Amino acid sequence: DIVMTQSPATLSVSPGESVTLSCRASHTVNDNLAWYQQKIGQAPRLLIYGASTRATGIPARFSGSGSGTEFTLTISSLQSEDFAVYYCQQYYDWPPLAFGGGTKVEIK
Amino acid sequence: EVHLVESGGGLVQPGGSLRLSCAASEFSFSRHDMHWVRQVTGEGPEWVSGIVPAGDTFYADSVKGRFTISRDNARNSLYLQMNSLKAEDTAIYYCTSGGIWGVTSNWLEHWGQGIVVTVSS
Repeated sequence: DIVMTQSPATLSVSPGESVTLSCRASHTVNDNLAWYQQKIGQAPRLLIYGASTRATGIPARFSGSGSGTEFTLTISSLQSEDFAVYYCQQYYDWPPLAFGGGTKVEIK
Repeated sequence: EVHLVESGGGLVQPGGSLRLSCAASEFSFSRHDMHWVRQVTGEGPEWVSGIVPAGDTFYADSVKGRFTISRDNARNSLYLQMNSLKAEDTAIYYCTSGGIWGVTSNWLEHWGQGIVVTVSS
């Protein structure tokens, strides 16, 4: 099974700053990588698929990059509503679909 | 707007059973792979099971032999029969939509609000 590892576990940033989150796959997933945002008490929300394609309605400040085993999610000019937990997920080789452990972006 | 609404959760004793249902509306349910994903509070999501439009089913090792996923395309509904439940099955269970069979891949675009399953004596 492919294992997804995210780093760091927590990022403390100020509103208006930019932040980069990392996700690593144990084996290549090509560009079959999605990113999700989850706020407390809510279901995950799809942000990015295909490693770099924004889902419908996702603001341009969210961008994804990478291929193979190394991926990043960048959020430029953080807004108050962006403080949340972010998960990556591979769908290249399933079952199982695999999620990373998450990165919490918190207010500094 | 797409709606996925789960039902059937609750409190059950270890060894017991529950059947989760998911009612889908405003999207082409019969064309999509569908999945159940669960999440323990404070942890990341965990994929549980998936089913393609033709009915082929897939399971996480942790639930294989105990859980059964099924779908009724005519009723736009997804189900998860959970038997021999264990304390470690306690989680929020989400119904999610995957790819369109043969067209797109299994990123999980639409999610239900989630339903709580608690396994405890």
